[in-house]
Amino acid sequence: GAVVSQHPSWVICKSGTSVKIECRSLDFQATTMFWYRQFPKQSLMLMATSNEGSKATYEQGVEKDKFLINHASLTLSTLTVTSAHPEDSSFYICSARGTSGPDPTDTQYFGPGTRLTVL
Amino acid sequence: AQSVTQLDSQVPVFEEAPVELRCNYSSSVSVYLFWYVQYPNQGLQLLLKYLSGSTLVKGINGFEAEFNKSQTSFHLRKPSVHISDTAEYFCAVSRMDSSYKLIFGSGTRLLVRP
Repeated sequence: GAVVSQHPSWVICKSGTSVKIECRSLDFQATTMFWYRQFPKQSLMLMATSNEGSKATYEQGVEKDKFLINHASLTLSTLTVTSAHPEDSSFYICSARGTSGPDPTDTQYFGPGTRLTVL
Repeated sequence: AQSVTQLDSQVPVFEEAPVELRCNYSSSVSVYLFWYVQYPNQGLQLLLKYLSGSTLVKGINGFEAEFNKSQTSFHLRKPSVHISDTAEYFCAVSRMDSSYKLIFGSGTRLLVRP
């Protein structure tokens, strides 16, 4: 089946620093990747949609200058949390949708998530 | 706009008992329907999906769901649960267009007791 990895799985950083999270599709090409944020015991909230080679589309209320997304290749998207603050602490999950590979229909495959803690 | 409602935030059930997790959706356009499971500190795993065709969809781990267009529901069922089924279950929809955005329900925690 389709596998999506995220790195790191957890990260602790100081307030004011930037943190980069990688999302990779391991066995398929992902033309579209999505970034979600999940607060404790709550649902996933879509932050942005990332298409390879073009600018990301952010959902309403998400600061594009704070959450920088780069989808440089068909297998890699990165989310950079700039000048992180304690309120940015959360579980960040990416998903990938492939145009080819094991399942060409409308299915998103999710990464295992990255837990960010900002001190 | 689309919305997904999971009325039950938590469903406790004894092992080997049947379970149904409810999901209702609202949308002005046709949608795809999904159920995902999330184990603690992990990402989401696709249980099953409805794209078209037969309204009864079978997924992994013995789960199945039935699409009911008139009631705009997509309830998840399992005839006999195991302790290992304890997890958070999310219902989601996406529009049948190029956006492919998933709109999630608030989740239902299935707690299986021995």
